[in-house]
Amino acid sequence: QAQLQQSGPGLVKPSQTLSLTCAISGDSVSSNSTSWNWIRQSPSRGLEWLGRTYYRSKWYNDYAASVKSRVTITPDTSKNQFSLQLNSVTVEDTAVYYCAKRAPVAGTFDSWGQGTLVTVSS
Amino acid sequence: DIVMTQSPDSLAVSLGERATINCKSSQSVLFRSSNKNYLAWYQQQPGQPPKLLIYWASTRESGVPDRFSGSGSGTDFTLTISSLQAEDVAIYYCQQYYNTPPTFGGGTKVEIK
Repeated sequence: QAQLQQSGPGLVKPSQTLSLTCAISGDSVSSNSTSWNWIRQSPSRGLEWLGRTYYRSKWYNDYAASVKSRVTITPDTSKNQFSLQLNSVTVEDTAVYYCAKRAPVAGTFDSWGQGTLVTVSS
Repeated sequence: DIVMTQSPDSLAVSLGERATINCKSSQSVLFRSSNKNYLAWYQQQPGQPPKLLIYWASTRESGVPDRFSGSGSGTDFTLTISSLQAEDVAIYYCQQYYNTPPTFGGGTKVEIK
């Protein structure tokens, strides 16, 4: 089973960019049969899917409508990892952020990163 | 987006007793051509990411104890813990993967009475 290791800062100032990275072991970011996702969790919004990147002969992305104008998820094949960038953050973006792998067949999230608490504060 | 509604918000059950959690989707998550319900259950313990317990509404993930079972179809689903153990204290979430975006219920907190 894949293992996911997250990294990135836990404190971001309002209006700046949140950046997190998820390093993959035991699988490939270029897999043709899965997708690589970012999900966040906060008391006010619960578990919220933010978006995904996946490879099917070329790279695709899907994003949640709530963050579509501010979010970018990018694969890095040379390091076998993927990243999240969320621009123009506000206090509403304070949450625990998770990366997660979507299972090839069932489509559920079968591997998760450890989570990163990101606080938006000046 | 499909809205997932769980009930109750919390419940307290004695050790060895049954715990039952309900989940309702705002539209059917049954894919008729495969006769599969695109519904999963997760367990989240404090400070941990969610852990997949059940998918296709009733299929246990490898390694999940058989005291956990899932049932239901269409829009109404149930997670049952047949004999609650101390290590089952957690928050449980349902999730639909019928369409994008995948969405989660608000969670049910299970405690020991």
